[in-house]
Formats: sequence, C-alpha cells, structure tokens
Amino acid sequence: AQSVSQHNHHVILSEAASLELGCNYSYGGTVNLFWYVQYPGQHLQLLLKYFSGDPLVKGIKGFEAEFIKSKFSFNLRKPSVQWSDTAEYFCAVYMNRDDKIIFGKGTRLHILP
Amino acid sequence: DAGVIQSPRHEVTEMGQEVTLRCKPISGHNSLFWYRQTMMRGLELLIYFNNNVPIDDSGMPEDRFSAKMPNASFSTLKIQPSEPRDSAVYFCASSWPGQGSTEAFFGQGTRLTVV
Repeated sequence: AQSVSQHNHHVILSEAASLELGCNYSYGGTVNLFWYVQYPGQHLQLLLKYFSGDPLVKGIKGFEAEFIKSKFSFNLRKPSVQWSDTAEYFCAVYMNRDDKIIFGKGTRLHILP
Repeated sequence: DAGVIQSPRHEVTEMGQEVTLRCKPISGHNSLFWYRQTMMRGLELLIYFNNNVPIDDSGMPEDRFSAKMPNASFSTLKIQPSEPRDSAVYFCASSWPGQGSTEAFFGQGTRLTVV
C-alpha cells in the first residue's frame, strides 16, 4: 500500500543544533516530494519541493532536503535551528499515477531557547 | 487570488447535530482534498476530488461523513449526526497538477468542536 513514513514523532533540540527529519515513502511510480510546515495555530505552508533535476533542493528559512531515489527517502535538514523553527513538519508525496497527495503523520519539532 | 477559503473558521455544535464545512478552492485548480487533523491520528486524507469527481473516499471514517463538489469552485463536507470524536481541525486543500506544480495549497482550516 502507498504510504509516507516519518520516523520521528517528536524532536527536541537546542538552538543552533543541526536538524535532520526522516521521510520515506512506498510507491514505485513517479513522485513529486514536499515538506510542509505548520506553525502553532496555523495552516500548512510549503517549505520546499522536489519535482526533478538536482536531488538536493533548498527551501525557505535555510531548510534543504535531499531526494535519494534508491532509498525512497526525502530527508529534511537544517544546519542550525532557531527557536522560531518550533512547528510541526509534514512530508508529502504526490503520486503521479494515482494523482493524489499523501502526507506523513508529521514530526513535532520543539526548539529550546 | 485569496487562496483556499474555508468556512466557518470555528464551529461548536452539540452531539447529534448536522455540521457542514465549506471550501472554495483556488480558481483554476482541479484537485480538491479534505483532510482531518487530530493530536492522536495526525493529518488524515478523507477524500479527494479531481475535476469535481470524487476519486478516492477511502479515508472517510464512516457513513456519517459525506462530501460533495457540485462545481469547480465549491465543496462541502457534511457530518450527520456529529459525535464528540469528530472534534478536529478540518483542512481543505487544492492543487492543479496540470500546471506542472502538484503542490497542495491549504486553507486556514475549520476547528470543529462537538460537545
């Protein structure tokens, strides 16, 4: 079955620490990949996306993600987090053949000041 | 464009009452999604439409839930009768894969509380 897995449900880091959030998907067809961020009390907003080309994509606020096709992964990274990065992060996969987007269950990131 | 518009933003209702949530997608988008978000279950896809036609409703929890999209600019999600466990934030999102950009744009959500 098609699925998107985010490995960590809750991550706590101190400011300036490096961040990596894991995301794996199960789908054999063509995909587009996304990371969304949801700040407390707000709706989901796009952080970055991968369609094709360079598998390392850069998004807003210093975030980046790398698509590793052989591992069906699209991990999110940031070298130095800030308190304002406290939010919930969702990995999402658009499955071309089925024309639908599936989200992972999210990772709550809490940054200690 | 004003983005995806959902109404109401907040809804408090009594158990057993009918609840209707509304969504206006971004003009020109041909895919529309309804999601439910709770602490316990995270973000769940309930149903999605393509060109106003329901494509996959396997995420709809039970027969009390129904969704319609009578035209390209409007969709509703109805719960009848509502139960306390339906309390959640319901998001509507739209996209236009044909534009080469398949990202979903989300509305502000409707926070539903069933007491």
